[in-house]
Amino acid sequence: DAKTTQPNSMESNEEEPVHLPCNHSTISGTDYIHWYRQLPSQGPEYVIHGLTSNVNNRMASLAIAEDRKSSTLILHRATLRDAAVYYCILRARANAGGTSYGKLTFGQGTILTVHP
Amino acid sequence: KAGVTQTPRYLIKTRGQQVTLSCSPISGHRSVSWYQQTPGQGLQFLFEYFSETQRNKGNFPGRFSGRQFSNSRSEMNVSTLELGDSALYLCASSLTASQNYGYTFGSGTRLTVV
Repeated sequence: DAKTTQPNSMESNEEEPVHLPCNHSTISGTDYIHWYRQLPSQGPEYVIHGLTSNVNNRMASLAIAEDRKSSTLILHRATLRDAAVYYCILRARANAGGTSYGKLTFGQGTILTVHP
Repeated sequence: KAGVTQTPRYLIKTRGQQVTLSCSPISGHRSVSWYQQTPGQGLQFLFEYFSETQRNKGNFPGRFSGRQFSNSRSEMNVSTLELGDSALYLCASSLTASQNYGYTFGSGTRLTVV
């Protein structure tokens, strides 16, 4: 699986935007970029994913660099509930039986702290 | 709609015993994956099932096994438990295993081996 690099931790203030970066310089042309987050004492939660174009949903926006070697998860207005570990994951195209099939490879992620 | 349900939430077992964990995916989801989370190793992929067939397996010993039923519900079994198997076991489901879909995770089963 292609590797992602994220900062270990970031801090933000409530009500402010947060930009969480992810580098993935070895991304292949068919890899999708996924973001998950894990709140304390809960399972991971899907946030957003994209391939080439920027994506928006009710939770966040995903900005993908033109060369696709990096991406940024944008939380438009951080709340205390957004304090979590954020994981940037590349998902390869995989056929049944392939080593990437149905698999999410989690790194260490970014610990986001939100201050009141 | 109901989320991914894992039972039991907590479990304490003795070394050498075996354990079975259960996962009920979101209705209509056919891909079910299992993960182990520990403080030292983080989240690690165990295996994935689709249409009652294991399609992928992570790097875990044969003591870890699973299955999926025709209603997509899944179970995982760990035999001959070791202290190092103490972990949070997470199940996730998706419509398919396609890279263009996200997975929904359950809250996990916290297994403690003593």
